[in-house]
Amino acid sequence: GAGVSQSPRYKVAKRGQDVALRCDPISGHVSLFWYQQALGQGPEFLTYFQNEAQLDKSGLPSDRFFAERPEGSVSTLKIQRTQQEDSAVYLCASSLNGGAGRNEQFFGPGTRLTVL
Amino acid sequence: ELKVEQNPLFLSMQEGKNYTIYCNYSTTSDRLYWYRQDPGKSLESLFVLLSNGAVKQEGRLMASLDTKARLSTLHITAAVHDLSATYFCAVDLIYNQGGKLIFGQGTELSVKP
Repeated sequence: GAGVSQSPRYKVAKRGQDVALRCDPISGHVSLFWYQQALGQGPEFLTYFQNEAQLDKSGLPSDRFFAERPEGSVSTLKIQRTQQEDSAVYLCASSLNGGAGRNEQFFGPGTRLTVL
Repeated sequence: ELKVEQNPLFLSMQEGKNYTIYCNYSTTSDRLYWYRQDPGKSLESLFVLLSNGAVKQEGRLMASLDTKARLSTLHITAAVHDLSATYFCAVDLIYNQGGKLIFGQGTELSVKP
């Protein structure tokens, strides 16, 4: 079956522009995670959904970052008024279950965001 | 705060040689993951280690976990060029925090003929 997909794969934004990044998880996966990977670094956790509920958003770096998963499937990460420090690869991952289940996470190809 | 540290961060090896990458973490966790990332690509799962003393092998790679020492190792045997990539270890938080992963900095491996 299909893996995790993300779109767009590449996004160039002018500073101050709003962007929206999409993640399609593996069908049936309950948990969805967003990570930010700066150049030369490991991914860093941003936020986590279990179905449509956002259970942890402790990693979001500022109130310019907003994520949603309204129907418990597709998720969108929105960044308002982008800044140069937002330039990174944004990775989405899904797992069959979370919480006590804590299944393995499968990662999408990522969206590379460049803010000029 | 959970910290995950890998060493070395950069590793240049000759084909045919053996080497070990180390992953230390700072607090209790019972699950450790190893991922591979090729340039410009996403993360590919290599191993999931679920308990103390777990050892898994796939081809030229072998991973182990010592939860008492809070240490995992990724051993490379008789390296080949195809293994050139960045390797990440990651742990998840044990206390029902949804399984978010905390990653190490990554080890960039270059295997030369």
